[in-house]
Amino acid sequence: AQSVAQPEDQVNVAEGNPLTVKCTYSVSGNPYLFWYVQYPNRGLQFLLKYITGDNLVKGSYGFEAEFNKSQTSFHLKKPSALVSDSALYFCAVRDPNSGYSTLTFGKGTMLLVSP
Amino acid sequence: DGGITQSPKYLFRKEGQNVTLSCEQNLNHDAMYWYRQDPGQGLRLIYYSQIVNDFQKGDIAEGYSVSREKKESFPLTVTSAQKNPTAFYLCASSKKGTAQTSTDTQYFGPGTRLTVL
Repeated sequence: AQSVAQPEDQVNVAEGNPLTVKCTYSVSGNPYLFWYVQYPNRGLQFLLKYITGDNLVKGSYGFEAEFNKSQTSFHLKKPSALVSDSALYFCAVRDPNSGYSTLTFGKGTMLLVSP
Repeated sequence: DGGITQSPKYLFRKEGQNVTLSCEQNLNHDAMYWYRQDPGQGLRLIYYSQIVNDFQKGDIAEGYSVSREKKESFPLTVTSAQKNPTAFYLCASSKKGTAQTSTDTQYFGPGTRLTVL
């Protein structure tokens, strides 16, 4: 089975400070990992994904994520937060070695960036 | 959200009624998905389709039905058997489908908010 956990319901950060949104996963093999962002009453927007290769993945809007196999984590990061980054962030995983061929999403983390 | 449209944006249903949510994509994607989003529960998969005239149940298919008669369309019907249908419904699509080796990204529509009166 594949699963993903986002241990923080909410993350608060001041504008200009670095931000981290945490994600850990559980799969039987090597995972495919995704980050999405959702603004109020909107659909999800794709930010970035890790399939293979370099552990540091760069994505849209200055976001990046680091794949850490030993810690089974895929934390989302940004060096300098903007107020406009305030939104709901979802991590998702797919285990290509399992019989379950679709994405499993975490419950989401609300990011609040204060001016 | 570009390329995937959902209608209506807001939908109100009386108890006992069936309602159909529309999802259309012009991305030429093979696979389409329906998710339900409830506060604090993330996204849960209702149904997915890898190809025209084929679809599979997701984690919470009870009380829902779908069809895939055209590549670009994947409507979802919320039936009266769904006991708690009030939620935000999201449609998504991906290029090559849900094969185990697929690395494809899913792209989402803007969503439909369904409220039962």
